[in-house]
Amino acid sequence: GAVVSQHPSWVICKSGTSVKIECRSLDFQATTMFWYRQFPKQSLMLMATSNEGSKATYEQGVEKDKFLINHASLTLSTLTVTSAHPEDSSFYICSAPEGASYGYTFGSGTRLTVV
Amino acid sequence: DAKTTQPPSMDCAEGRAANLPCNHSTISGNEYVYWYRQIHSQGPQYIIHGLKNNETNEMASLIITEDRKSSTLILPHATLRDTAVYYCIVRPAAQAGTALIFGKGTTLSVSS
Repeated sequence: GAVVSQHPSWVICKSGTSVKIECRSLDFQATTMFWYRQFPKQSLMLMATSNEGSKATYEQGVEKDKFLINHASLTLSTLTVTSAHPEDSSFYICSAPEGASYGYTFGSGTRLTVV
Repeated sequence: DAKTTQPPSMDCAEGRAANLPCNHSTISGNEYVYWYRQIHSQGPQYIIHGLKNNETNEMASLIITEDRKSSTLILPHATLRDTAVYYCIVRPAAQAGTALIFGKGTTLSVSS
């Protein structure tokens, strides 16, 4: 089946630095990529939707200047957490629609810890 | 998308069938029932989906009531590796431009 490769799987960074998370669709073209955030013991919360070649759309309450999303090609979408703070520590997951009726493929997630 | 209601947690003995219920009383005629699961610290995994007929694949069976207001996911022989959070999501098909919206799901604990 379709695979979305997400890297890194975990990262620790210092407060104030930026971190980039990559999601690649390996055997299909992802014109759309969804980015989620998940805090401990909570469900996935949709952060933003990226579309190849256009600006991302962000959910209410998500700072677009803090969470920079780039979707420059049909196989790569990136999320950059800028000026990270401890409250940004979370599990970040990407997802791409791959088929008509059910094909939502998820990345394996990135555990971000800001110290 | 129609809202779903799931029990917060369930327990199951290894080797027994796990039956996970989901209520979706406001489901529309063009909405499918999807099931995903998330094993700890991993991305969600697709399990099965259906419109109105019962469905079965290598992972599970999906039983949808005739009025489509509820469904049950059945794991016929649960193993320890089936311990996960299971999400029931109702949405129209072929809407590739919109994301899956997750509720709180059911935490299934399989024990030996």
